[in-house]
Amino acid sequence: GEDVEQSLFLSVREGDSSVINCTYTDSSSTYLYWYKQEPGAGLQLLTYIFSNMDMKQDQRLTVLLNKKDKHLSLRIADTQTGDSAIYFCAESSLMDTGRRALTFGSGTRLQVQP
Amino acid sequence: DADVTQTPRNRITKTGKRIMLECSQTKGHDRMYWYRQDPGLGLQLIYYSFDVKDINKGEISDGYSVSRQAQAKFSLSLESAIPNQTALYFCATSQGDTQYFGPGTRLTVL
Repeated sequence: GEDVEQSLFLSVREGDSSVINCTYTDSSSTYLYWYKQEPGAGLQLLTYIFSNMDMKQDQRLTVLLNKKDKHLSLRIADTQTGDSAIYFCAESSLMDTGRRALTFGSGTRLQVQP
Repeated sequence: DADVTQTPRNRITKTGKRIMLECSQTKGHDRMYWYRQDPGLGLQLIYYSFDVKDINKGEISDGYSVSRQAQAKFSLSLESAIPNQTALYFCATSQGDTQYFGPGTRLTVL
């Protein structure tokens, strides 16, 4: 089956930039996603990028997609303590049924130190 | 009001018991999904449904069953719960590929 890989942990200082990386395997993915999970909460859709784009910027968030290397990154500028959470990368994968569903990475825990 | 709701939010049960987790949505989406989350493993897809008459197994469907009672309701059942089904369970909905998640149900099987 398809696979999505992320590093497990990232620690940054408040005010620095954070970069969370992800690799995926399904070259037919139409969309790639970043979700944020705060402690005790569900997954919140943070941003997504269509597979024919290289970059998408949304306020402090920048998503970069290298389709050739199947590499996705999320950059958070001016990281704040409120950004501390687990960040999940997900790709829209083709299932055996011919339908698409999301395949998630194991999540990167971002710790922001004051 | 939340667009995707899950009940119960927390449940403790014993091995061998039957348990049902419920999910409702007001987003008007056709597609609904059930995932489980274990620490360090991300989310694994249990079942998904693209409309009321369409049910598909995900990567870890063994030990689980589902029912799509209406467009807005999708329930997950554990016929005979076992301790390794202790996890956080999430329901999600979508109209296209982009999924929106409920708050989760924390299930503990003793």
